[in-house]
Amino acid sequence: DGGITQSPKYLFRKEGQNVTLSCEQNLNHDAMYWYRQDPGQGLRLIYYSQIVNDFQKGDIAEGYSVSREKKESFPLTVTSAQKNPTAFYLCASSPRSWASSYTFGSGTRLTVV
Amino acid sequence: AQSVTQPDIHITVSEGASLELRCNYSYGATPYLFWYVQSPGQGLQLLLKYFSGDTLVQGIKGFEAEFKRSQSSFNLRKPSVHWSDAAEYFCAVVADNYGQNFVFGPGTRLSVLP
Repeated sequence: DGGITQSPKYLFRKEGQNVTLSCEQNLNHDAMYWYRQDPGQGLRLIYYSQIVNDFQKGDIAEGYSVSREKKESFPLTVTSAQKNPTAFYLCASSPRSWASSYTFGSGTRLTVV
Repeated sequence: AQSVTQPDIHITVSEGASLELRCNYSYGATPYLFWYVQSPGQGLQLLLKYFSGDTLVQGIKGFEAEFKRSQSSFNLRKPSVHWSDAAEYFCAVVADNYGQNFVFGPGTRLSVLP
C-alpha cells in the first residue's frame, strides 16, 4: 500500500548534537513538507519541496536543514542551532496539482535530554 | 496574512450528543478549506474538504462541514458523537499566495464522555 513512512517514531538527542529524521513516500507525490507540532500551536511549516533538488524555507526554518535528492525522500536535520527542538515532527506529501490534500506520516517525537 | 482560528481549545461532549467545532479563516479570496483529525501520537487524517460548489460538504466518519462566506467560517458538525471520535481536530486553509501550502489552525481537542 502507498503511504509515508517516518522513522524513528521516538528519538532522543543530547544537547549540541545534530539528528536526522527520515521521511519516505511511495505515492509518487512531487511535493513534500515538514511540520513541527507543539501543544496548543497547531502545525508550523519548517521546510517544503515541490520538486527534486529544490526546497523552500517555511515559517520556522532556523536551526533546521533538509535535502531532496530523490523524489521519494525528504530527510530533516535538526541542528544544534535549534534552541528548542523537543517536539512532534510530521512529514507530509501531496501531488503537485493545485490544492490537493496532504497525506501525512505518523510522526517522530524528538526529545532533547 | 492568512490565518485560521479555532476558538475552542478543548470541548467535552457526551457520547450520542451532537457536535460542532468552529473554524474561522482570514483570507481575501475564497480559500480551499480542510478538516483533519489526529489521534494521539499519530499523523493527520483528512475528514473532508471544500473547494467550490455546494457549501455543505460531507466527509468520512459521519462528519459534515458548512462553508459560510459571510462569516468566513467552516464549522465541522456531527449529529451523534461516538467515543472513538475523541481526538484533536484541525482546520486548514490553502492560500494561493502562500506557495500552495497549508495554514493550520491551533486545533480543538475533543473529549467524549461515556
